[in-house]
Amino acid sequence: AQSVTQLGSHVSVSEGALVLLRCNYSSSVPPYLFWYVQYPNQGLQLLLKYTSAATLVKGINGFEAEFKKSETSFHLTKPSAHMSDAAEYFCAVSEKTGANNLFFGTGTRLTVIP
Amino acid sequence: DAGVTQSPTHLIKTRGQHVTLRCSPISGHKSVSWYQQVLGQGPQFIFQYYEKEERGRGNFPDRFSARQFPNYSSELNVNALLLGDSALYLCASSPSGTFIADTQYFGPGTRLTVL
Repeated sequence: AQSVTQLGSHVSVSEGALVLLRCNYSSSVPPYLFWYVQYPNQGLQLLLKYTSAATLVKGINGFEAEFKKSETSFHLTKPSAHMSDAAEYFCAVSEKTGANNLFFGTGTRLTVIP
Repeated sequence: DAGVTQSPTHLIKTRGQHVTLRCSPISGHKSVSWYQQVLGQGPQFIFQYYEKEERGRGNFPDRFSARQFPNYSSELNVNALLLGDSALYLCASSPSGTFIADTQYFGPGTRLTVL
């Protein structure tokens, strides 16, 4: 089964600083990769997804992620953090066969300091 | 258009009881998936249904069951509740159950507390 590791359960950045949230997957076959955001007391919202096209994926709210097969990574970045980015971020993978269920990481809570 | 809706939003039950959670997918979506999110963890896949048929099941005991109706809405049932079943239960819908990279759209969840 697929698994996802998110390094850093909590990340704090200053407003305007670079946001970097790390995600590594374990699979010999590159899966499909997703980043979701969860605001307090809400469901998950898709930020972006990688489906074997361009390795640099642009998402909503200025976020982007780069798929690096050699590093089995799919890190999420944003050049300049905004207060509204404070939330929980989840990396997820789905296998390329079978049901399209998602395997989620344990999440990274992003705090933005004014 | 309305997003994925779930009911109820909050629920408190006692150990041994049974619970039914409901989900209405986005209009036109034929696939519904259920996830359990325990506090401090990522969501874990429970079931996926497409066209009223179970297409996937996660590593959950038989106390968990689900079904999908002709209008594509879905119910998740949990019998003999345990304290460990306390969690946020998320429903997600997607246009089809056959395209693996389909985006899944999540509802706000049902917060279940088992006392």
